[in-house]
Amino acid sequence: AQSVSQHNHHVILSEAASLELGCNYSYGGTVNLFWYVQYPGQHLQLLLKYFSGDPLVKGIKGFEAEFIKSKFSFNLRKPSVQWSDTAEYFCAVKTGGSYIPTFGRGTSLIVHP
Amino acid sequence: DAGVIQSPRHEVTEMGQEVTLRCKPISGHNSLFWYRQTMMRGLELLIYFNNNVPIDDSGMPEDRFSAKMPNASFSTLKIQPSEPRDSAVYFCASSPLSQGVNTEAFFGQGTRLTVV
Repeated sequence: AQSVSQHNHHVILSEAASLELGCNYSYGGTVNLFWYVQYPGQHLQLLLKYFSGDPLVKGIKGFEAEFIKSKFSFNLRKPSVQWSDTAEYFCAVKTGGSYIPTFGRGTSLIVHP
Repeated sequence: DAGVIQSPRHEVTEMGQEVTLRCKPISGHNSLFWYRQTMMRGLELLIYFNNNVPIDDSGMPEDRFSAKMPNASFSTLKIQPSEPRDSAVYFCASSPLSQGVNTEAFFGQGTRLTVV
């Protein structure tokens, strides 16, 4: 079965710092990749997704992610974080024609003003 | 579109009681997922329905848990009897099967269950 690893469990940054959250998956075939954000007390919302084409994906709120097939990675980046980016971030993968997304454990991001 | 609607938002119950969580997927979506979120285990898939039929229930913890989808617009997750270790946030999500695998899951607001 596929698995998704998010290596950073907790990240603390100051406003305007750059962000990179790691995501690796364990599947050698075709993948669909997602990043979700969960603000405190709220539901998961989609930040961005990759299905095919350009491996650099732009999402909402200035986030982007790069799919590197050779590294089985889909890291999330933002050049300058804001206090309002404080949230939990989840990477998810759908593999091999499956309709079921598998989620990583999540990364808690705290941005200090 | 109202999105995925879950009820109740919060549920506090005593150990041994029956708990029923409800979900209304987005209209036209024919894939439905129930997930459980805890600090210890993160986001776990409990069960997946496709066109109202349970396809994968391997994540259902034990016989105390059951899920149904009697029609395309309603699903329930029932825990009977409930135990303190069932305390978690339960999310329902849906996606449009017509788009195949190239679509994301849309999540509801979740039900925070506390079993005392």
